[in-house]
Amino acid sequence: AQTVTQSQPEMSVQEAETVTLSCTYDTSENNYYLFWYKQPPSRQMILVIRQEAYKQQNATENRFSVNFQKAAKSFSLKISDSQLGDTAMYFCAFSLSNFGNEKLTFGTGTRLTIIP
Amino acid sequence: DSGVTQTPKHLITATGQRVTLRCSPRSGDLSVYWYQQSLDQGLQFLIQYYNGEERAKGNILERFSAQQFPDLHSELNLSSLELGDSALYFCASSGQGLNYGYTFGSGTRLTVV
Repeated sequence: AQTVTQSQPEMSVQEAETVTLSCTYDTSENNYYLFWYKQPPSRQMILVIRQEAYKQQNATENRFSVNFQKAAKSFSLKISDSQLGDTAMYFCAFSLSNFGNEKLTFGTGTRLTIIP
Repeated sequence: DSGVTQTPKHLITATGQRVTLRCSPRSGDLSVYWYQQSLDQGLQFLIQYYNGEERAKGNILERFSAQQFPDLHSELNLSSLELGDSALYFCASSGQGLNYGYTFGSGTRLTVV
């Protein structure tokens, strides 16, 4: 079974600074898909970024980027120029398939607070 | 609007009662997943349906059951409710190929009193 570990329960950073959230996972599979989801106080689950394991290039979405280290089974999220609206719970997640037929396994989350 | 519709948004019921949560997936998505999120906790996978068939089961209690109908909407039935069942219940759907990704509904907040 696949597991996802987020070792930072809480983090805080000053507005406009850069912050990195850590995630490690365990799998014996070679092909898989990794995600970061954001859950603001509204509790809505919002996809931030995704990474296919077969791609060597790290995914980026505007101020959000990942550092994907396949050998180390590490998938960290970097938020640049942090904004107050980035305050949220962030969940790392793992899936075995892109055929829409495999569940998403989540880590326990990191609560990120952006300080004005 | 994410495209995944969950109803109701809020539900308050007494212990011992039974409730049904409904989910309509994003158009074209065949898979529906149910997750439970207790206060300040992570998302616990309950059950998955793919094109009408149960595909995977997580930590779902025997008091809970689900099904996916021919039109692909899904219902999660929770019975003999206990105080500890109070949580946010999410439904998500996923597509494939270019539509790959997991889209979440806004959740149903269940309060058992």
